Amino acid sequence: AQKVTQAQTEISVVEKEDVTLDCVYETRDTTYYLFWYKQPPSGELVFLIRRNSFDEQNEISGRYSWNFQKSTSSFNFTITASQVVDSAVYFCALRGYSTLTFGKGTMLLVSP
Amino acid sequence: EAGVAQSPRYKIIEKRQSVAFWCNPISGHATLYWYQQILGQGPKLLIQFQNNGVVDDSQLPKDRFSAERLKGVDSTLKIQPAKLEDSAVYLCASSSVSTGDQETQYFGPGTRLLVL
Repeated sequence: AQKVTQAQTEISVVEKEDVTLDCVYETRDTTYYLFWYKQPPSGELVFLIRRNSFDEQNEISGRYSWNFQKSTSSFNFTITASQVVDSAVYFCALRGYSTLTFGKGTMLLVSP
Repeated sequence: EAGVAQSPRYKIIEKRQSVAFWCNPISGHATLYWYQQILGQGPKLLIQFQNNGVVDDSQLPKDRFSAERLKGVDSTLKIQPAKLEDSAVYLCASSSVSTGDQETQYFGPGTRLLVL
């Protein structure tokens, strides 16, 4: 069975601080995909990134960066110089040979 | 390119009533998914369609939930009769079968259901 754990339920930061959202996963599948989605108050899940299990390269996209470490089964997400618009619930998800499994999400609150 | 469309956005019903949700996926996306998201949790898959066929409905409470995708494009999810515990956001997602992107699901805005 697949499992995704986001241990941080809620994080509060002040604008311009850096923040890292943790994600730990469990799977027995040899090929799998990891995802991060953002869910703003409007409710829509916005796709941020997909990583496959064979690609451990870290990725940077603007203020966002992702650190994938297979050795620790982690796929962490860092926002640099956070902004108020980053306030949302962020979900980490895993898909192996079966369905897409989500973590419980981390609510990020960025105050001005 | 238009995203996944869902309607209605909000619905309030009383328990034992029936309700239906509609979803139109991104144009050309063969795979369509319905998820249930209870407050404070991540989405949980209810059913997956590939074109007009069901791929996975193992988590769908079939005594009260039904879904169809008759022409392989838009889809309807129905609850009859509704229970209090069905209060949730119902999310529709779609994905392409094109090589390189078939694993990414794109979500609609969801329908927030409140059962009183």
